[in-house]
Amino acid sequence: DSGVTQTPKHLITATGQRVTLRCSPRSGDLSVYWYQQSLDQGLQFLIQYYNGEERAKGNILERFSAQQFPDLHSELNLSSLELGDSALYFCASSAGRISGNTIYFGEGSWLTVV
Amino acid sequence: AQKVTQAQTEISVVEKEDVTLDCVYETRDTTYYLFWYKQPPSGELVFLIRRNSFDEQNEISGRYSWNFQKSTSSFNFTITASQVVDSAVYFCALSEGRDDKIIFGKGTRLHILP
Repeated sequence: DSGVTQTPKHLITATGQRVTLRCSPRSGDLSVYWYQQSLDQGLQFLIQYYNGEERAKGNILERFSAQQFPDLHSELNLSSLELGDSALYFCASSAGRISGNTIYFGEGSWLTVV
Repeated sequence: AQKVTQAQTEISVVEKEDVTLDCVYETRDTTYYLFWYKQPPSGELVFLIRRNSFDEQNEISGRYSWNFQKSTSSFNFTITASQVVDSAVYFCALSEGRDDKIIFGKGTRLHILP
């Protein structure tokens, strides 16, 4: 158990809908990361937050947005969903701002868009 | 730009054989960090090891060992006396010194046959 909690574990929704994935980082961790894992794209970095502020952005679509709240939990919002958004979405956390932190992953949220 | 290449897409070995997973990385930074993660069939991503660019010492942890060679930009992972439970997808990853987002290779799917 990494200590990172993600909900829901599984989600099935229709095209065009919007979903929210939730993540609670490990106790004491200030950074939260979101990754998308699909069969064709592998593990793609989406976005990172540090203590409530966006720190780094990767291949995140404009239809996707994220935020980190004062209690450090984070949400990833996916809207206007398409079939190609079906993937395993990981949240991860690390201790802080300095580079080279080990990041610990949650168990992931399986999203299926039908 | 940072890049991680895992040329071996899939490997199958018979139990108790040794197996080496290759990882080659690219970065322009002199300070960087390398990681290996394991993804068993259940889907979670499990951290195995972190190595910084200033520490070229090889590491052994039980049946696992890692060979870091800056001269060839490689960070290979060897499992000695493999077991069926080692069957998983293994990811090599890189974080540069300027931030701490981690970029992953495509992964190597390892099958240990009984």
